[in-house]
Amino acid sequence: GAGVSQSPSNKVTEKGKDVELRCDPISGHTALYWYRQSLGQGLEFLIYFQGNSAPDKSGLPSDRFSAERTGGSVSTLTIQRTQQEDSAVYLCASSFGQASEAFFGQGTRLTVV
Amino acid sequence: GDSVTQMEGPVTLSEEAFLTINCTYTATGYPSLFWYVQYPGEGLQLLLKATKADDKGSNKGFEATYRKETTSFHLEKGSVQVSDSAVYFCALSDPGTSYGKLTFGQGTILTVHP
Repeated sequence: GAGVSQSPSNKVTEKGKDVELRCDPISGHTALYWYRQSLGQGLEFLIYFQGNSAPDKSGLPSDRFSAERTGGSVSTLTIQRTQQEDSAVYLCASSFGQASEAFFGQGTRLTVV
Repeated sequence: GDSVTQMEGPVTLSEEAFLTINCTYTATGYPSLFWYVQYPGEGLQLLLKATKADDKGSNKGFEATYRKETTSFHLEKGSVQVSDSAVYFCALSDPGTSYGKLTFGQGTILTVHP
């Protein structure tokens, strides 16, 4: 596609439920990143993929958070047993390589009620 | 750890005014520095970058110079337009890591009035 695509754009879920957020990177981009944007914490790095492997998961806030990437393309961020503090905008970005500009999607706004 | 500090916002200016948004950083080594912009309803976009000391990044009339001695990367524009209204983020990436693994500042909201 023309840009990084994220779905859904908005998600409202009940506390304790699991959610999956999807990211379709720009075609040909080997690197993929997940970020979280919240009022209190600003923009925080979560995880980085190079191809299908994740050499840097240092930003995942707890073991309730996990992510995978298949076929070197689509990535899914999963949050288990959601909590209210998980409410945020989750951003995905991709780049052609390590030394290339990262292009961001418009994000998924997650609200946990 | 690494950190980025931006001037508090929001910033409100009249069209054609001069803009400065201050950014300072703390990092080991020589990070790469970036300004990203988020226009209303859109995703983050790279505005400009600088990868070594004394480099000047520029784009769309915006400029920022990598100052190692003051650990700063202030964003400037000589004459802002209404269309520059957006949220601006200063960010850094560590040397040897991917440009996409970024530490961001808190963001500065800019509003430009006609």
